[in-house]
Amino acid sequence: QVTLKESGPVLVKPTETLTLTCTVSGFSLSNTKMGVSWIRQPPGKALEWLAHIFSNDEQSYTTSLKNRLTISKDTSKSQVVLTMTNMDPVDTATYYCARTTGVLQFDPWGQGTLVTVSS
Amino acid sequence: QSALTQPASVSGSPGQSITISCTGTSRDVGGYNYVSWYQQHPGKAPKLLIYEVSLRPSGVSNRFSGSKSGNTASLAISGLQAEDEADYYCCSYTSSSTLGVFGGGTKLTVL
Repeated sequence: QVTLKESGPVLVKPTETLTLTCTVSGFSLSNTKMGVSWIRQPPGKALEWLAHIFSNDEQSYTTSLKNRLTISKDTSKSQVVLTMTNMDPVDTATYYCARTTGVLQFDPWGQGTLVTVSS
Repeated sequence: QSALTQPASVSGSPGQSITISCTGTSRDVGGYNYVSWYQQHPGKAPKLLIYEVSLRPSGVSNRFSGSKSGNTASLAISGLQAEDEADYYCCSYTSSSTLGVFGGGTKLTVL
């Protein structure tokens, strides 16, 4: 059974750096057909794809946030880490990680973790 | 503003069929056969319904189907059931420097 679980702080202050961890099970991050994406959803709003890491460690980022995002993985720990710098209240959202197979096949998703940015 | 345009809401009665549209440009929906659709119930994570425009993952009901014409992709749901009431999102590959882009989402109400 493939599962993903996000973990990280519930609350961060403006200007701080957010670090989120996605721990996966049921598949290997070294599988050439699979990668992991991070996607977020502000309360009551639409999904926004943020970043993706491929099995070969190649990364891709959404243009608008590229300068603030870093995605990396530790295959031995089955973890994918997303860091986002200079957090702002508009970054308040539920952050999801999802296994990515093929092109834009996000399946399955983690349960999500709500991150609130407030002083 | 999302790059892909979806109607904010659609509704239908049990047993009826509905269609949700997802309109983009030749740089995304119209240029590639990489459109996926997701269903999200309140407070839950999204679930993959359709990938590569019209393919269904195993376990997804055949009441859900996808298609594309020009720059517009569509998700059709037949035989509406109460459990279909949810938000639906399309997602497309894009030749812009981002990898993928989501639509703004459509709230389906089963009357």
